[in-house]
Amino acid sequence: AQSVTQPDARVTVSEGASLQLRCKYSYSGTPYLFWYVQYPRQGLQLLLKYYSGDPVVQGVNGFEAEFSKSNSSFHLRKASVHWSDSAVYFCVLSGEIFFGDGTQLVVKP
Amino acid sequence: EAAVTQSPRNKVAVTGGKVTLSCNQTNNHNNMYWYRQDTGHGLRLIHYSYGAGSTEKGDIPDGYKASRPSQENFSLILELATPSQTSVYFCASGDGGGRNTEVFFGKGTRLTVV
Repeated sequence: AQSVTQPDARVTVSEGASLQLRCKYSYSGTPYLFWYVQYPRQGLQLLLKYYSGDPVVQGVNGFEAEFSKSNSSFHLRKASVHWSDSAVYFCVLSGEIFFGDGTQLVVKP
Repeated sequence: EAAVTQSPRNKVAVTGGKVTLSCNQTNNHNNMYWYRQDTGHGLRLIHYSYGAGSTEKGDIPDGYKASRPSQENFSLILELATPSQTSVYFCASGDGGGRNTEVFFGKGTRLTVV
């Protein structure tokens, strides 16, 4: 069965702090994985994607993610967050396109 | 430029009425998907399609039908709308066979059933 789990429904960090949003997947084989961001009352914007190769992938706005087959994980990271990063972040698995429940990121000034 | 266009963007429907949500993609993608998004949930898959004439049930298909008359168009149909179907609906297209390497989303349709 294919599934995606984001264990943290909400993460609060201070502006300038580092960030990690967790994602665990279940998939038989090598998955294609994505991170999307959704700002309030807006659509979905792609941050980054992983198919194969280097397990650390770079995305837009300073985001990166690291794929781990042994841990079945695809965690999103950012070295220094800005208040404008406050949004909901979705980890997505393909196969068909399966979403985690999302993590709401709140950046405190 | 790759695009997925949903119409209408907002819809108010009456309970028991028929609602059709439309999605058009210009990406020449084989796969298309319909999701709903409710507060506290990610996007949940309702129906999807691998190409014209094909529709498949997703995780939550009850109360919904889908139609894929062409490569470009994929509709979601609520034959008898209920208040529980009040939600935001997203359409997506994907390029893959078994796995999608490129996925584009529409901007969403906000449906309110009163």
